[in-house]
Amino acid sequence: GESVGLHLPTLSVQEGDNSIINCAYSNSASDYFIWYKQESGKGPQFIIDIRSNMDKRQGQRVTVLLNKTVKHLSLQIAATQPGDSAVYFCAENGELTGGGNKLTFGTGTQLKVEL
Amino acid sequence: GAGVSQSPSNKVTEKGKDVELRCDPISGHTALYWYRQRLGQGLEFLIYFQGNSAPDKSGLPSDRFSAERTGESVSTLTIQRTQQEDSAVYLCASSSLDSLDEAFFGQGTRLTVV
Repeated sequence: GESVGLHLPTLSVQEGDNSIINCAYSNSASDYFIWYKQESGKGPQFIIDIRSNMDKRQGQRVTVLLNKTVKHLSLQIAATQPGDSAVYFCAENGELTGGGNKLTFGTGTQLKVEL
Repeated sequence: GAGVSQSPSNKVTEKGKDVELRCDPISGHTALYWYRQRLGQGLEFLIYFQGNSAPDKSGLPSDRFSAERTGESVSTLTIQRTQQEDSAVYLCASSSLDSLDEAFFGQGTRLTVV
């Protein structure tokens, strides 16, 4: 079956450095991806999304890159702060009957920001 | 309330007992999702409700799992004859018809089956 997965389970970065979190997907028909941030004890929170007709999308301190050739996307966080410490999930968005979206999540990457 | 609310926050139950988990979506959100998150893993889709349409139950792992939703309001997820492998965080999310792509999650219910 199709899957969405992450390369690294844990990423440690120094405060102020840039962070890069990677995600591989296997369904070549996937056309929409979302990055979520999940802090301890909380539900996932939407960060940024990207559609397959784009290679790059920027938000506030975050950038998502999509490489359809190798079915890979990444989340870049500029000037990482302690508040960025969380688990980051990429999710593949597939359509459901009646509209709406079935989000297929990867395992996640734990980002740890060291002071 | 302003966000998706789930209750209880934590639930410890004995193997074989039934449990019922509750989700109050954001007011006006027509779509509601249930997900399961095992320790250290990503989220598994369980079920999706959209308005008065028939729910998409394709993610329910067994017939011990069921969910109900009345109109566009509260939803309950029921697990019958709980097993230890049911231990997980159960997350609920809702989204509006205008923005089905962005789902807002509750804080989850942590279920522990002993």
